[in-house]
This record gives sequence, C-alpha cells and structure tokens, in this order.
Amino acid sequence: GAVVSQHPSRVICKSGTSVKIECRSLDFQATTMFWYRQFPKQSLMLMATSNEGSKATYEQGVEKDKFLINHASLTLSTLTVTSAHPEDSSFYICSARRGDRGAEAFFGQGTRLTVV
Amino acid sequence: AQTVTQSQPEMSVQEAETVTLSCTYDTSESDYYLFWYKQPPSRQMILVIRQEAYKQQNATENRFSVNFQKAAKSFSLKISDSQLGDAAMYFCASEYGNKLVFGAGTILRVKS
Repeated sequence: GAVVSQHPSRVICKSGTSVKIECRSLDFQATTMFWYRQFPKQSLMLMATSNEGSKATYEQGVEKDKFLINHASLTLSTLTVTSAHPEDSSFYICSARRGDRGAEAFFGQGTRLTVV
Repeated sequence: AQTVTQSQPEMSVQEAETVTLSCTYDTSESDYYLFWYKQPPSRQMILVIRQEAYKQQNATENRFSVNFQKAAKSFSLKISDSQLGDAAMYFCASEYGNKLVFGAGTILRVKS
C-alpha cells in the first residue's frame, strides 16, 4: 500500500518555542492532506485540511495562528505548533488520500509532542 | 452534522473466537462510504475494511466482514478466528465531504 511518512515521531520542546512536524506521501501525490490530534484512548479529532497551493481549512475551534499548516508541494505538508504550551502536548497524526471520494486514507506514524 | 457512534468502549474475545464491534452513523447523504480502521499499540492507523453505501453486498476482507444495514444506519465489524495481533483500538468512520468522521473507538482485547 501507499506510504505516508511523518517526522519526527517524538519531540520534546520548551514552552514558548515552536515545533514543526512534516508529513510526506512517499509514493503518490496528495493534493489534500489532513491533520488530526488524538488524546490518550480517544478518537482522532480533525484539526485542518491541508490543500496544496492554497490555504488550509481549519475546523471550528482550532486556532489557525497557533497551528500553522503549509502544503508546499504535492507530497509534503507541514504543521507548525507556534509558541507551544503544555496543553498543546498531544499525539498528532497526518493522513493523505490517493484518489477521490471513498479512497483509502493512509496515515503517518504520528508525532508525540511533549511541551515542558 | 455527520456523527458516528461506537457504543462499546471495550470488548474482549478469546483467541480463535468471533467478535462483533458495533457502529451506527447519521448522514443526510445518499451516497457515502464507511470504513473500519485499526490502531494497534504502535498507533499506526490501518484500514481494515471499506463499504460503499450503494452496494448492498457486505464487504469482506479475509477474517473481517461487515454487517451493513443501510436503513438502520448500522455498520458492524465481525472478526472471525480472532488472533492476538487483532488486539487494537478499532475506529468506525464515515466520509463527510472529503473528510473522515471517526467514532470514539472500541478497544479490543484478545485473550490467549
């Protein structure tokens, strides 16, 4: 199957700093990627839809100035958590779909962010 | 808004036995897709099975099958001959526009 690579898998940063998470589709082009946040033993909460060459679409309640998303190419989307605080600590997952409606979504391995 | 409900927070099954995970959803669309995803301890999300709503035949993938009841908006997952490697969190999902809406998940424990 297709591969979506997410990096880093774990990151610890100091409060007030920014951290960037990369999501790459390795063997297909993804015009749309998705960013999720997952708390322990809970479901995936969609944060935003990343569109190649245009602005991301954020879900209600997600601060777009805190969670900056850039979809620079058809294979790369980045999520930057700006001025991170301990409450931003979470598991972040990206996904990409190869195809239109009904196509399988492929997920990255996830990033465990810890803000100290 | 689209909603997906998984009413079983946890389920247990004996190895080699069969278990069914339930899922109900709400949608106003006539044509849509439903999915079951598995998240093992590694936390890598993996597609288990997919169902197209306009297809009456239930999808099957080896030991995994669904019972799709469109009128009741029910989409349960049956795992036959359960294996230790099936232990994971299972998420039911419905497609809404170009987005996936996930249920709360069911933790499946497999006993040896």
